Amino acid sequence: DIQLTQSPSFLSASVGDRVTITCRASQGVPSSLAWYQQIPGKAPKLLIYATSTLQSGVPSRFSGSGSATEFTLTIGSLQPEDFATYYCQHLNNYLTFGGGTKVEVK
Amino acid sequence: EVQLVQSGTEVKKPGESLKISCKVSGYSFTSQWIAWVRQMPGKGLEWMGIIYPADSDVRYSPSFQGQVSISADKSITTAYLQWSSLKASDTAIYYCARQRGSYPSHFDYWGQGTLVTVSS
Repeated sequence: DIQLTQSPSFLSASVGDRVTITCRASQGVPSSLAWYQQIPGKAPKLLIYATSTLQSGVPSRFSGSGSATEFTLTIGSLQPEDFATYYCQHLNNYLTFGGGTKVEVK
Repeated sequence: EVQLVQSGTEVKKPGESLKISCKVSGYSFTSQWIAWVRQMPGKGLEWMGIIYPADSDVRYSPSFQGQVSISADKSITTAYLQWSSLKASDTAIYYCARQRGSYPSHFDYWGQGTLVTVSS
């Protein structure tokens, strides 16, 4: 099975910061990746699919990139509503999730 | 409007059986896969399995194969996740989610989650 490792696991940041989260696959991922945001007590929300396509309604400060074994989610300018946990998901075979990255207030 | 509405909180004892549901509306139930995702207390997301309601084709994560059963009833546009004998370690929030497009793909709509607590 392909394993997904997110880094960092925790990230402290301030409003306005540019934030980058990395998702590394244990082996090359021929297909693509999705990213989700989860606010405590809520269901996950799709942000990005097919590695870099923004889901309808998601602010343009979110962007995704990458290929093969390394993918990134970038938040261009962190907003108060962006403090949450972010998960990547491998879109192949077993639809595995990464371990998550919690973005906290600095 | 696409909606996935899950059944309510469950409190069960070890060894008991359980079936939770995910009622779908707002699109053709048989046209998209429905997945189940587990989130244990304070932990991350784990994909459990997925069903294509049109023909009940089910794929399980190796971690959950044999531990749960996924089914669907087209007549009432509802997907199910079932246990025959619960364990304390099954305590978690369980989400259903619609997979967009052909398998495998991303999950674009999610249910609100069902909290299952298993305790003696």
